[in-house]
Amino acid sequence: EDQVTQSPEALRLQEGESSSLNCSYTVSGLRGLFWYRQDPGKGPEFLFTLYSAGEEKEKERLKATLTKKESFLHITAPKPEDSATYLCAVQLPSGYSTLTFGKGTMLLVSP
Amino acid sequence: SQTIHQWPATLVQPVGSPLSLECTVEGTSNPNLYWYRQAAGRGLQLLFYSVGIGQISSEVPQNLSASRPQDRQFILSSKKLLLSDSGFYLCAWNRAQETQYFGPGTRLLVL
Repeated sequence: EDQVTQSPEALRLQEGESSSLNCSYTVSGLRGLFWYRQDPGKGPEFLFTLYSAGEEKEKERLKATLTKKESFLHITAPKPEDSATYLCAVQLPSGYSTLTFGKGTMLLVSP
Repeated sequence: SQTIHQWPATLVQPVGSPLSLECTVEGTSNPNLYWYRQAAGRGLQLLFYSVGIGQISSEVPQNLSASRPQDRQFILSSKKLLLSDSGFYLCAWNRAQETQYFGPGTRLLVL
């Protein structure tokens, strides 16, 4: 069965304290891996898509990387406004473009 | 640019009552459309997806149904709500195998 596991479930950082979120997946083939940010009570907001091992994408303080078994979302010198739940999802190569999501990592950055 | 709308934003319904949630997309044609449910402590669960008018695929057996009466309109319905139907309902769209973009969501509380 295809699975996506995110860790940790929750992470509390001080402003400026860099860290990484993990998304591990066990799927039979991978078409793409997606990262989203979700603020409380709102829909997920797209951040990155990664397609192949070794690929990296950056946006402001965030950098996403991909290996054959997992993806990391690195947060450098986070600010309080980076507080949100970060969701990871995988898209399989066959069939329609449905996504399988992990449960997310809730990040809280304190000033 | 494309935008996606959902309404209502919040809904409180008694057990056994009917349900109708609506999602519309602007600025694109023939999108793939998706309904997800997000329950507390759980990841996004894909409920239905549609690749065209009148074409609906169900991912999870339940007392919910979906319809697509127009190209950019997707409706989630129920004849009789259960307590377990409470949650945050999200609509999403994409083109072919591209990134999915989410709407603002509908918070449903069944009492």
